[in-house]
Amino acid sequence: KNEVEQSPQNLTAQEGEFITINCSYSVGISALHWLQQHPGGGIVSLFMLSSGKKKHGRLIATINIQEKHSSLHITASHPRDSAVYICAVTQGGSEKLVFGKGTKLTVNP
Amino acid sequence: NAGVTQTPKFRVLKTGQSMTLLCAQDMNHEYMYWYRQDPGMGLRLIHYSVGEGTTAKGEVPDGYNVSRLKKQNFLLGLESAAPSQTSVYFCASSSPRKTYEQYFGPGTRLTVT
Repeated sequence: KNEVEQSPQNLTAQEGEFITINCSYSVGISALHWLQQHPGGGIVSLFMLSSGKKKHGRLIATINIQEKHSSLHITASHPRDSAVYICAVTQGGSEKLVFGKGTKLTVNP
Repeated sequence: NAGVTQTPKFRVLKTGQSMTLLCAQDMNHEYMYWYRQDPGMGLRLIHYSVGEGTTAKGEVPDGYNVSRLKKQNFLLGLESAAPSQTSVYFCASSSPRKTYEQYFGPGTRLTVT
């Protein structure tokens, strides 16, 4: 069993829909990361959080430490949001990331 | 700032050939990483370095060697390439001064025939 599980693996939405991607982890962590990988391949960090909630534009990330669960929400989705979204965790003081397999999101116009 | 750069962007090798992938960062980050990404799998750590002159094995180190002679550069070597090493390779860097947020290079697509 992977230490970091994401769901769904694939997600198709219509433009304007509210989107949720989930991440569960089985280990103690110091931080959780959400990353975005566009079809061109580049990977960028969206959020890093250890508690609560963070918001950047139409993207919101939440984490529940007790339940070992995080969600990434996209409001008013747009075709340019189409990408693979990757959840990753760092464990107490470690400099290493453990990655989920990613969620491929397709937003149709 | 260029951030994290990787060379080359694409490469085709024949089985048994050797090559070196270069990663460079201009953010003065202490930590650097090499990952591989294969279809259906998450990013997997090959080797990493926590400082100049130090390296450590990650999850899938076999068949690869690394060197970090300068703080800004991290080299990944394949001594005798195998088809199983066909993958997309990503370099990343981070700093404990910036809570280990990782910054990724654009990737190198390697095909071994």
